Amino acid sequence: NAGVMQNPRHLVRRRGQEARLRCSPMKGHSHVYWYRQLPEEGLKFMVYLQKENIIDESGMPKERFSAEFPKEGPSILRIQQVVRGDSAAYFCASSAQGTDTQYFGPGTRLTVL
Amino acid sequence: QKEVEQDPGPLSVPEGAIVSLNCTYSNSAFQYFMWYRQYSRKGPELLMYTYSSGNKEDGRFTAQVDKSSKYISLFIRDSQPSDSATYLCAMSANWGAQKLVFGQGTRLTINP
Repeated sequence: NAGVMQNPRHLVRRRGQEARLRCSPMKGHSHVYWYRQLPEEGLKFMVYLQKENIIDESGMPKERFSAEFPKEGPSILRIQQVVRGDSAAYFCASSAQGTDTQYFGPGTRLTVL
Repeated sequence: QKEVEQDPGPLSVPEGAIVSLNCTYSNSAFQYFMWYRQYSRKGPELLMYTYSSGNKEDGRFTAQVDKSSKYISLFIRDSQPSDSATYLCAMSANWGAQKLVFGQGTRLTINP
């Protein structure tokens, strides 16, 4: 019974490049959340998605960041033209329909050089 | 002012001690309160979940919520070195799928 899976676990990008982070929710879960954790800080909500729908993107930066959760395949968090301030751990969580317990993945640690 | 305040520590106690971790919050709409444990370089894992005010116990862990003071606590009895981790409080206003608001996390070390 696999948990939430994220890949890659570590990602290094140079300034101006694109970063794509992938998240596969737990089996049977239809809700996906993305959080960002800066060094020595707690997790900050970014976006909440269901299949093919963005439900709440109130925590997403207005520019360069986008997220999707297609009908088939993993959820993708995309960061265009990365800057050094984007360096952080990005965590994905999932929950099942009708529940509110979120289960977290191991995270993707993004380093921007 | 942050919605949720949590002392980042670090907190270091001897094995067997009782540990008290706390968070305060400003949004009176919060009704659902959680404690997550995060080991270094890992994702958070849910420890305790409580609704509204009151206490909840699970093994060596007790969660307390005082909504009148906007204050929540996590107590760990008979602490073990394996409890060494960062503990994050989290909360939400409504039941169901939605965003969680986290505290900064308290780094705890249990010394053998």
